[in-house]
Amino acid sequence: GESVGLHLPTLSVQEGDNSIINCAYSNSASDYFIWYKQESGKGPQFIIDIRSNMDKRQGQRVTVLLNKTVKHLSLQIAATQPGDSAVYFCAEKFSSNTGKLIFGQGTTLQVKP
Amino acid sequence: EAQVTQNPRYLITVTGKKLTVTCSQNMNHEYMSWYRQDPGLGLRQIYYSMNVEVTDKGDVPEGYKVSRKEKRNFPLILESPSPNQTSLYFCASSPLWGSNQPQHFGDGTRLSIL
Repeated sequence: GESVGLHLPTLSVQEGDNSIINCAYSNSASDYFIWYKQESGKGPQFIIDIRSNMDKRQGQRVTVLLNKTVKHLSLQIAATQPGDSAVYFCAEKFSSNTGKLIFGQGTTLQVKP
Repeated sequence: EAQVTQNPRYLITVTGKKLTVTCSQNMNHEYMSWYRQDPGLGLRQIYYSMNVEVTDKGDVPEGYKVSRKEKRNFPLILESPSPNQTSLYFCASSPLWGSNQPQHFGDGTRLSIL
């Protein structure tokens, strides 16, 4: 069945380095993808999104890349800071016809000082 | 301040005792949704609502009910809670679903069913 999956459960990086978190999705009809950050004791917070008609989108220190050929999504965080330590989820919206949003299982980003 | 508010934040109760978790948003969003979060399983959608009086099942709706009588509120009802419904629950909302805008999440409700 359809699923959204993150490749690594935990990613450990040095402060100041760039981080790359990956996500694979299985529904080629999905038209919208979102990255969320979840800190301990809080709900997921929106980071960045991308529509299926785009390959790349940049925000402040974050970039999302979408490769529809291999159904792969990645989140790049530049100059990773201790405040970036959290669990990161990708989410996939199947289509506008249903209200379903499917989340990956999450990658824990640990930033070492 | 734009927000999604859930109540209660924590609840310990017993099997079979009906409970309701409330969710309210002040952003005039049309779309609202409930998720449960379990270790190793991520966030799974329980029910969603595209608009007032329009609700539909997500991936794990068994044992839950919802209602959407007004735009701002979307309560989650457990008619006869069981221990396997012990989980962390999140409510979320977003503008019109088809407009592809991200959901805003509440801070969660931790339910323990004994």
